[in-house]
Amino acid sequence: GEDVEQSLFLSVREGDSSVINCTYTDSSSTYLYWYKQEPGAGLQLLTYIFSNMDMKQDQRLTVLLNKKDKHLSLRIADTQTGDSAIYFCAESRTGGTSYGKLTFGQGTILTVHP
Amino acid sequence: GAGVSQSPSNKVTEKGKDVELRCDPISGHTALYWYRQSLGQGLEFLIYFQGNSAPDKSGLPSDRFSAERTGGSVSTLTIQRTQQEDSAVYLCASSLVPGGSTDTQYFGPGTRLTVL
Repeated sequence: GEDVEQSLFLSVREGDSSVINCTYTDSSSTYLYWYKQEPGAGLQLLTYIFSNMDMKQDQRLTVLLNKKDKHLSLRIADTQTGDSAIYFCAESRTGGTSYGKLTFGQGTILTVHP
Repeated sequence: GAGVSQSPSNKVTEKGKDVELRCDPISGHTALYWYRQSLGQGLEFLIYFQGNSAPDKSGLPSDRFSAERTGGSVSTLTIQRTQQEDSAVYLCASSLVPGGSTDTQYFGPGTRLTVL
């Protein structure tokens, strides 16, 4: 079955690095995504990684994928107060009846303190 | 437009009434998805349209929910005889082509539905 798990809360100080973790159970996951949701807003795509990759870096964001352990993480360097939001991990597959549909984790609420 | 748009942004209705929610996907995107976000259930997939293929309705929670996509573009999600548990934010997303690197889904701002 499909299951994506995240820790619910993370609190960091401004300027520190944030690491948000996600685990998934479906070994046929093809793409893994990180979305950001600010209060009252829709989902903003941050980054994604293909399942045959181990790491992807995009400016302050680093995504690490451990396919063996089915573990995904998002590291935000030099975290700012504007990074405070809910972060969702999501996975999708390219085959079967669930083609293209995203399965989301519960979301991690990131709070950045000045 | 540049992004996915949804209307209305907020909808308050009485229990038992029907509601229609609209989604305009990004121009040229062939795939369109509806999701629901609620406190108790998180983000749930509802329905998926791809081109002229039959939609994947596997996520619709009951037969009171239906959706259509006209002309491969605009989609309408209809909820009949609304119940209080239907209160949620309904999110629409579109992607260029499903199942590949271009499968990235871009989300609209959502419609907040409140059923009194």
